Amino acid sequence: QQQVKQSPQSLIVQKGGIPIINCAYENTAFDYFPWYQQFPGKGPALLIAIRPDVSEKKEGRFTISFNKSAKQFSLHIMDSQPGDSATYFCAAPGHTGGFKTIFGAGTRLFVKA
Amino acid sequence: DAGITQSPRYKITETGRQVTLMCHQTWSHSYMFWYRQDLGHGLRLIYYSAAADITDKGEVPDGYVVSRSKTENFPLTLESATRSQTSVYFCASGAGSLTDTQYFGPGTRLTVL
Repeated sequence: QQQVKQSPQSLIVQKGGIPIINCAYENTAFDYFPWYQQFPGKGPALLIAIRPDVSEKKEGRFTISFNKSAKQFSLHIMDSQPGDSATYFCAAPGHTGGFKTIFGAGTRLFVKA
Repeated sequence: DAGITQSPRYKITETGRQVTLMCHQTWSHSYMFWYRQDLGHGLRLIYYSAAADITDKGEVPDGYVVSRSKTENFPLTLESATRSQTSVYFCASGAGSLTDTQYFGPGTRLTVL
């Protein structure tokens, strides 16, 4: 039972483009929605996170947009660079024998130079 | 150095053998997690621990055993390795709740022949 649906599975953009990655969740009991970034051969690392009392959060070139009523949130990367090429995971609270963080399946982003 | 470390980084073993993956964190975080990462499945939770001597199952616990006698260590044991357990294993820790930010180790790539 997939409780966090992430799309697309992969994405290729030109340098300077604005890739958008979407995430839909089911559980509304908690209030913390992070995005993690993972480079090849490394562990995931927190990129940016949002709490649903705001609809948008920006940190540098990265923006999270949050739609609480639709139970969706998305990651936008402004002026994307080849160094942004990585796998991105959204995460949201889910219920698998108790509330825990559930990760999306991941989006592999490639930014062409 | 402070952080979270995993050992070994790479391991090749044979079907039926017992394998233990080690995880050590220096932050004194209460929560620790084990995930496996497989293509198309993202990060799936195997086991987690809320404190020393407190562990619980995640989404895919079958075939794995954990223990946590000290706050800083959280070893994962494959009692009798199977080919389906070939994967990349990540350990993570967190100071907040089960749904708060997690800090990941560099991963262990395990191959079961």
